[in-house]
Amino acid sequence: QKEVEQNSGPLSVPEGAIASLNCTYSDRVSQSFFWYRQYSGKSPELIMSIYSNGDKEDGRFTAQLNKASQYVSLLIRDSQPSDSATYLCAVPEGGGYNKLIFGAGTRLAVHP
Amino acid sequence: EAQVTQNPRYLITVTGKKLTVTCSQNMNHEYMSWYRQDPGLGLRQIYYSMNVEVTDKGDVPEGYKVSRKEKRNFPLILESPSPNQTSLYFCASSLVPGGSQPQHFGDGTRLSIL
Repeated sequence: QKEVEQNSGPLSVPEGAIASLNCTYSDRVSQSFFWYRQYSGKSPELIMSIYSNGDKEDGRFTAQLNKASQYVSLLIRDSQPSDSATYLCAVPEGGGYNKLIFGAGTRLAVHP
Repeated sequence: EAQVTQNPRYLITVTGKKLTVTCSQNMNHEYMSWYRQDPGLGLRQIYYSMNVEVTDKGDVPEGYKVSRKEKRNFPLILESPSPNQTSLYFCASSLVPGGSQPQHFGDGTRLSIL
């Protein structure tokens, strides 16, 4: 069973700060990586995908991928209380597309 | 509106009483899957379906059945529910398999098996 590991948190940051969320994965052949956001009691929604080493920016969100270190992160700039949620890292198993393996998620709390 | 619809949203039932959770999507997606979410364990895939009449086991298929007779529907069947199947269940669909496209999730079904 391939693994996706995340720190469960909670990660507490003040409003306006940068929140940094980390994820490591065990499958070296993985080619695509996803970040989902899940508000309490709601379903997950995709917020970022990244396929190449380096950074990918989308608004206040930046995904960073380092395949050599098997590490993917999500940075949230200018954090807002509305960003308070659980962030799930997801990686297709075996580099293929039959199955997504989700991490257990990191709970982020942004306080005013 | 593009959506994945699950029913029921909440269900409390007893051990051994067969139940079905329905899932329907209106996006003409080929790929559908079922997950369960438990505290500290994240989302774990139960079953997935690549297309009509094509289903396969995920990581935790024991105690569950699925069928895919129509493209839009993918029901989850618990033939003889047990308390360890108490969980939050999500159905998801995507245009293509797995993770290359966003997975659209239903609102979830919270099952309690007494």
